[in-house]
Amino acid sequence: GDSVTQMEGPVTLSEEAFLTINCTYTATGYPSLFWYVQYPGEGLQLLLKATKADDKGSNKGFEATYRKETTSFHLEKGSVQVSDSAVYFCALNPSGGYQKVTFGIGTKLQVIP
Amino acid sequence: DAGVIQSPRHEVTEMGQEVTLRCKPISGHDYLFWYRQTMMRGLELLIYFNNNVPIDDSGMPEDRFSAKMPNASFSTLKIQPSEPRDSAVYFCASSLATGYNEQFFGPGTRLTVL
Repeated sequence: GDSVTQMEGPVTLSEEAFLTINCTYTATGYPSLFWYVQYPGEGLQLLLKATKADDKGSNKGFEATYRKETTSFHLEKGSVQVSDSAVYFCALNPSGGYQKVTFGIGTKLQVIP
Repeated sequence: DAGVIQSPRHEVTEMGQEVTLRCKPISGHDYLFWYRQTMMRGLELLIYFNNNVPIDDSGMPEDRFSAKMPNASFSTLKIQPSEPRDSAVYFCASSLATGYNEQFFGPGTRLTVL
C-alpha cells in the first residue's frame, strides 16, 4: 500500500538557519504530494503541494520538488523564523481521484532566537 | 467562509460515558474525514464520507466508535462507552471532489477520558 516516510524530529534550529525535512514515499501511479503544517493548538493546514513529477511547490519561503526518480519530496527553507515553529507533515494522495490521503508521522520543528 | 467547525473544543469525561463530537464541514465540500491524533500513533484516519455516505471505515478502532453524516452540513463521531485509551485530539476535515484534494482541517476536539 501507499506510505510516506518522514524524518523523525524534533528538529531544533537557530533563527535564520537553513531547513531541510526529508520525505520519501511509496505509491503506485502518479500521486499528488503535499506538505501540511500544524501550529500549536490548531488543525493541519496546507503549506504547499505538487501534482506531477518535477513540479516545485512553494509558499511562505518554503519549497519542495516532486522527484519521481528518488520518490522524494523534501521540504526546504533558506532562513527559518521563530514563527515557523510547528509540526510538518508530508502527505500523498493517490492518483485516480481516490480521496484517502496518507500522512507521514510529522516532524516537529523548533526555531530558537 | 468560517472553515470547518468542530465542537466541543475540549471534552473531559469519565470512563464508560458516551461522548459525541460534532463537525460542520465547509459548505459545498463533497468529502468529510474524521482523524485521531496521538503522540504514540500520530495522525490516523478513522472514517470518511462522500456525499454523506460512508466510504471507508476501516480505521475505526472498535465497535465502540460510530460516525454519522445525516446531511451535507453535519457529522458526528460517537464513542460509547469511552475508555482512557480514547484520549486524543480528534480532527474533522473536508475537501472538494475536484482539484487535487486539499483537505481543510477543523481546530480539533481534545478528548480526555478519566
